[in-house]
Amino acid sequence: QKEVEQDPGPLSVPEGAIVSLNCTYSNSAFQYFMWYRQYSRKGPELLMYTYSSGNKEDGRFTAQVDKSSKYISLFIRDSQPSDSATYLCAMSANTGNQFYFGTGTSLTVIP
Amino acid sequence: EAGVVQSPRYKIIEKKQPVAFWCNPISGHNTLYWYLQNLGQGPELLIRYENEEAVDDSQLPKDRFSAERLKGVDSTLKIQPAELGDSAVYLCASSLRAVDEQFFGPGTRLTVL
Repeated sequence: QKEVEQDPGPLSVPEGAIVSLNCTYSNSAFQYFMWYRQYSRKGPELLMYTYSSGNKEDGRFTAQVDKSSKYISLFIRDSQPSDSATYLCAMSANTGNQFYFGTGTSLTVIP
Repeated sequence: EAGVVQSPRYKIIEKKQPVAFWCNPISGHNTLYWYLQNLGQGPELLIRYENEEAVDDSQLPKDRFSAERLKGVDSTLKIQPAELGDSAVYLCASSLRAVDEQFFGPGTRLTVL
């Protein structure tokens, strides 16, 4: 079983829609969570970084962590064509432990 | 602030040839990572450095891969000899400390013919 599971999609939504991206994990020790956006032929770009449970909001992006369900989400409000990219989740247990990445979800926002 | 710099951006070589990738992390970042990313997959850790010390290289195929981080700044990842299956994107990332946010470079896309 992989440490991190992520639906690869592809996900296609109309402009302005609310997008929900999700990852599940098996290691209950994970407490550091990151979301990255990766455009084609580019390196991953950090969007959100959260510690432990709860929500974190930054502009149109909201990251949500539910440790009891081992489930994290990234919500994108008012989605734009420029949001079309692959979204990667990553997580780690503790200081000094490696981050494990999901396979990424491909998102297309249609104008 | 300059981001993580990698070179070359693209490299095409024939199998059995050697190849090297270079990474310059963000200034002041003590932790440096090399990842491998195959098409449609997430990055997979190859090696992590804390300053000049390799603290996690368990997933580095040591028979053909080597890495170094002299003086705890720049790093080089080498493959010798390259195999067809090594074709992938090699990403370098850095963070202030191991638990902090990781910032990625643009990657080096390697094609082995």
